[in-house]
Amino acid sequence: GAGVSQSPRYKVTKRGQDVTLRCDPISSHATLYWYQQALGQGPEFLTYFNYEAQPDKSGLPSDRFSAERPEGSISTLTIQRTEQRDSAMYRCASSSLGGSYNEQFFGPGTRLTVL
Amino acid sequence: AQSVTQLGSHVSVSEGALVLLRCNYSSSVPPYLFWYVQYPNQGLQLLLKYTSAATLVKGINGFEAEFKKSETSFHLTKPSAHMSDAAEYFCAVSGAGANSKLTFGKGITLSVRP
Repeated sequence: GAGVSQSPRYKVTKRGQDVTLRCDPISSHATLYWYQQALGQGPEFLTYFNYEAQPDKSGLPSDRFSAERPEGSISTLTIQRTEQRDSAMYRCASSSLGGSYNEQFFGPGTRLTVL
Repeated sequence: AQSVTQLGSHVSVSEGALVLLRCNYSSSVPPYLFWYVQYPNQGLQLLLKYTSAATLVKGINGFEAEFKKSETSFHLTKPSAHMSDAAEYFCAVSGAGANSKLTFGKGITLSVRP
């Protein structure tokens, strides 16, 4: 696609429910990142993929959080048994692979509210 | 380990005045440094980057930043603020390498008074 897209843009859920967020990266980009941004804070790294491989998931805050990218394109971030502290903006970014530096292009984000 | 400090959460300037947004970083490896801008309801947009070439970096919309290793700083400046510059600005650091994760500061909201 022309840019990184994310859906839904807004999600309101009740505590204890599972949610799945979707990211559709730029079509030529092999690398995809997920970040979490709490209110009043900067984005914080969660995990990233090179194609379908997930080399680093050190930023996932608990085992309730998981991410997939089974075909190396679209990715989903799933939060199980949501808690109020999970309320945040979830940002996805993509970049090309290889070279010394590759710019990360960000999507508009998904605003998650857990009641 | 890497970190970014952006002191203060809000800066207000008059239209036409100098814009100065401060950023200090900590990095155990030679850093790559970035400024991103976020307009309402939009994604983060790269304003400029330092990747070990020239220390004075020019970006979009008349912004520039200077990498000062001795001061571990990467402050963002613009000589004359415009109303359209009102947005949230984030400084970020990463290690060298094609797929290094970004570590962001808390961000600064810039307001521009007419």
